Amino acid sequence: SYVLTQPPSVSVAPGKTANFTCGGNNIGSKKVHWYQQKPGQAPVLVIYYDSDRPSGIPERFSGSHSGNTATLTISRVEAGDEADYHCQVWDRSSDHPVFGGGTKLTVL
Amino acid sequence: QVQLVQSGAEVKKPGASVKVSCKVSGYTFTHYYIQWVRQAPGQGLEWMGWINPQSGGTKYTQTLQDRITMTRDTSTSTVYMELSSLRSDDTAIYYCARLYSYGPLDYWGQGSLVTVSS
Repeated sequence: SYVLTQPPSVSVAPGKTANFTCGGNNIGSKKVHWYQQKPGQAPVLVIYYDSDRPSGIPERFSGSHSGNTATLTISRVEAGDEADYHCQVWDRSSDHPVFGGGTKLTVL
Repeated sequence: QVQLVQSGAEVKKPGASVKVSCKVSGYTFTHYYIQWVRQAPGQGLEWMGWINPQSGGTKYTQTLQDRITMTRDTSTSTVYMELSSLRSDDTAIYYCARLYSYGPLDYWGQGSLVTVSS
């Protein structure tokens, strides 16, 4: 089955930029979605279809897709951005969503 | 506004069954598939299966398909996920989520903690 790979952790100082990567075989042919999950809370969709932002999500959150990697970028990181970030695609061959293992953001 | 409200926490003994409900509101129940996703302590998100609320059709992950059943009640806009023969490694938070157009899961329930312990 399809596998998405995310680094386990990212650390960044407040005000800097955090980048989260998501890799998978031929991921360029798929649409990637990103979720933020704060401790004790359900995941929240922050980027969908590679780069679209749901209403209410700050413009500091952006997504891109190049080659075999999708990237979520958070600009001007704040302490409140500390969370786990999960990527997800819809795998047409198996007809279900696939999640990456998640990346924990630590704000230094 | 769209809401998915799940049933409360459960504590079960090994070998028992648990049934978690997910009541939706704020949109037409039959228009969107519902996914079930679980998260074991300290772990990532694991897809369990989906149900088509219009037809009742389902798809389950192979690792659970002998133990899981998803159903729906269109009169109350509620979907149910039942997991049988519970084991300690079924201890997790169980989420329902709405699927948008074979893409993102755009709305999530608050989660239901299921603890399996003797």
